[in-house]
Amino acid sequence: DVKVTQSSRYLVKRTGEKVFLECVQDMDHENMFWYRQDPGLGLRLIYFSYDVKMKEKGDIPEGYSVSREKKERFSLILESASTNQTSMYLCASSFNYEQYFGPGTRLTVT
Amino acid sequence: GIQVEQSPPDLILQEGANSTLRCNFSDSVNNLQWFHQNPWGQLINLFYIPSGTKQNGRLSATTVATERYSLLYISSSQTTDSGVYFCAVHYNQGGKLIFGQGTELSVKP
Repeated sequence: DVKVTQSSRYLVKRTGEKVFLECVQDMDHENMFWYRQDPGLGLRLIYFSYDVKMKEKGDIPEGYSVSREKKERFSLILESASTNQTSMYLCASSFNYEQYFGPGTRLTVT
Repeated sequence: GIQVEQSPPDLILQEGANSTLRCNFSDSVNNLQWFHQNPWGQLINLFYIPSGTKQNGRLSATTVATERYSLLYISSSQTTDSGVYFCAVHYNQGGKLIFGQGTELSVKP
């Protein structure tokens, strides 16, 4: 079975802090994705990566950056967290088209 | 861009009832997935179904790509089926998924 893990299920941070969300997959997938999910707005793509050290902006990249130094790990970075980044963050990986999601991280920025 | 619409937005069932969820999409797609989001927020893969019909236990799905829709059937529903069901399509830009707004299902005992 494909397994995608995320570093935290729940996270509380203060405004202005630098926040790292980690995602690891164990299936040697080429592609990895970060989404956020908000009530009424659905799931929106933040960034994705098709290979190590490669990244592409999604639909809402502002305020975020990513890092992919190893194939199995894709990190989402909030350089200076703000309250409007309070959300559910979901990581996914895929081979070809089928995507598999991690359990999600509920981030609260106070 | 491509539009993905799901219906109904909400559905309440008695345990044991059957239901059909629909997903319409506005353009040709490479592939389509159905997910169930459980109460803890995780998206669970149900089907990867670019066309045709697949079955997995009490759940089955049919995609008619030429007519741009997919259906998810849930038979003999159980309370554990509650949650939000999403369809998502793979558009032409690589592996990016475009999600519908979901159908929130509540199964009452």
